[in-house]
Amino acid sequence: KNEVEQSPQNLTAQEGEFITINCSYSVGISALHWLQQHPGGGIVSLFMLSSGKKKHGRLIATINIQEKHSSLHITASHPRDSAVYICAVTRAGNQFYFGTGTSLTVIP
Amino acid sequence: EAGVTQFPSHSVIEKGQTVTLRCDPISGHDNLYWYRRVMGKEIKFLLHFVKESKQDESGMPNNRFLAERTGGTYSTLKVQPAELEDSGVYFCASSPRDLVATQYFGPGTRLLVL
Repeated sequence: KNEVEQSPQNLTAQEGEFITINCSYSVGISALHWLQQHPGGGIVSLFMLSSGKKKHGRLIATINIQEKHSSLHITASHPRDSAVYICAVTRAGNQFYFGTGTSLTVIP
Repeated sequence: EAGVTQFPSHSVIEKGQTVTLRCDPISGHDNLYWYRRVMGKEIKFLLHFVKESKQDESGMPNNRFLAERTGGTYSTLKVQPAELEDSGVYFCASSPRDLVATQYFGPGTRLLVL
């Protein structure tokens, strides 16, 4: 069983919809990360969280340490948001432990 | 500032051959990580360098994989001999000494072993 679980694996949305991607983890962490990978592109760090909530433009990330759960929200989704979104955690050794990713397609 | 670069972007080799992947981290980053995603699975950690020293190589799958970082700058990951199950995307990431949790990823090398 993977230490980091994401849902859903695949998600299709209409442009303008509010999108939520969930991540659960089973171990103690030093930080949780949300990453983005566009088709054919590299991996880009969106957020690093250890508590609470962060917002950047239309993206919002939250984390509940007690429940070992995080969510990534996209408001007013746009086709350019289509990408794979990956949840990852870091522990004491600082290497990432990755979820399998959520493939998001936003249809115009 | 240049980002993390990896070479080659793609490699197709036959089983039993040797392949060497290269990663150039962001200049001045002491920490360098190798990760791998095999088909349909999550990305997994391979190893971590701090400068030229291997800090953690617990993710290396077997002794066919050899990573080096001579001089603490660029790193190479050699697979010898390559097997079919080594196919996947190999990512490199780097981070500054004091910001170990913020990693900057390279574009990856797509390796296909036939």
